[in-house]
Order: sequence, then C-alpha cells, then structure tokens
Amino acid sequence: GAVVSQHPSRVICKSGTSVKIECRSLDFQATTMFWYRQFPKQSLMLMATSNEGSKATYEQGVEKDKFLINHASLTLSTLTVTSAHPEDSSFYICSAGGGLAGLRTDTQYFGPGTRLTVL
Amino acid sequence: RKEVEQDPGPFNVPEGATVAFNCTYSNSASQSFFWYRQDCRKEPKLLMSVYSSGNEDGRFTAQLNRASQYISLLIRDSKLSDSATYLCVVSLTGGGNKLTFGTGTQLKVEL
Repeated sequence: GAVVSQHPSRVICKSGTSVKIECRSLDFQATTMFWYRQFPKQSLMLMATSNEGSKATYEQGVEKDKFLINHASLTLSTLTVTSAHPEDSSFYICSAGGGLAGLRTDTQYFGPGTRLTVL
Repeated sequence: RKEVEQDPGPFNVPEGATVAFNCTYSNSASQSFFWYRQDCRKEPKLLMSVYSSGNEDGRFTAQLNRASQYISLLIRDSKLSDSATYLCVVSLTGGGNKLTFGTGTQLKVEL
C-alpha cells in the first residue's frame, strides 16, 4: 500500500514550452501533497504544499505563476512548469501525506520523481 | 546557516565496518526527526524516525540530542547494499507535514 506515482518519469523540452507533471496516490487518498525540487548534489527543497480543493501554499522564493499547482481530487495533483527555461532543469518529486488513509501520519510517501531537462 | 547541515562525504568504508553520520539542525522548535535514504537518481525513502530516547532498527541506530540540536545515525556491519545517500530530515510538526532536508551524506561500502 501507499504507492505514489509520477508521470512522466523523464521529459526533455525546448525552452519556452510548458510541462505538466502528474502525481497520483494509487491506493489511498491524500488531502495534502507536496512538491519538491532537487538540483544535482543539493537537498530536496519544498516548493509548495498542495491541498485538495484549495489553493496551494508556496514556499518563499517559488513563483506561483510559473509553477502552477492543481489538486483537483484526493488522488491527483499536477505541477505545470510554465515557460520552462534551462535553469528549471531539475528533479521534481511529489509526496503525499497518508493520514487520511489511516496510514502512518508521521511520514510522507514519495513518488519516483520526474527528471526535467530544458534545452 | 543551513537549516539542516550534514557532512556530504563520501564515506568510503569496507564491508562489515561500522559508520556514523551526524547532522545538526538550526531550528530549536523542530519536533520530528528522520533519516531517509536516497539512491542515485531515485526518490528518498524513509529509513527510520528518530526519537529522543534513541532507537534501533536492526543494524541501524539513531540518536537525538535536543539540547545540542544534533542527530546521529550509526550503521553496524555495513553491507554493499547500504551504499546510498543518507538524508537527515526535520519537521516543525509531524513527518506528514513540511519536511526540511539536509543535503545528505554519501556512503560507499566497498568489498
């Protein structure tokens, strides 16, 4: 149980295009999902907290108009990188809290990540 | 100052060795503490939570010193499969909420 998937696993796009990344909780419902970004040899940095049915909460320094988050259902959150540029190339990882499903409330269940390369 | 600091390593140790990692955190209000493991180009996976009394899970022992804001992880009888990056993680509330990650300590276990 507690499987989180991400799609796509890898994407290469041209500068200026938009890329949508999906995060799904496959066997449980999640009211809260988190989006992280990890640059090479750096730590995971929380970008935003996504709550089902409401606006996402963005961390300081993360542009909400550039990184659009939608959490329309209890099993799906999407992150859209708009007008992507080479500096947006990174490893994007989502996670879900398991409290709603009766899973451990003291941990997050991570998706496998999406590696974005912007040319 | 980083919120969570770790020695990046790498720690190169022979199979069977005991190795210890340390971590310090800056926010004294932190309530929850974890060690995660991250393999190359993969997502992080929870290794163990860290409790004030210290806790053990097989070959892994974690310790927390709130006064010094210091967390440690001890791995005994290292296996080749232990090779990974170990991430120290703290949260102001619970682990199901916002997590702050350290940059990780790389471990390489060799024959």
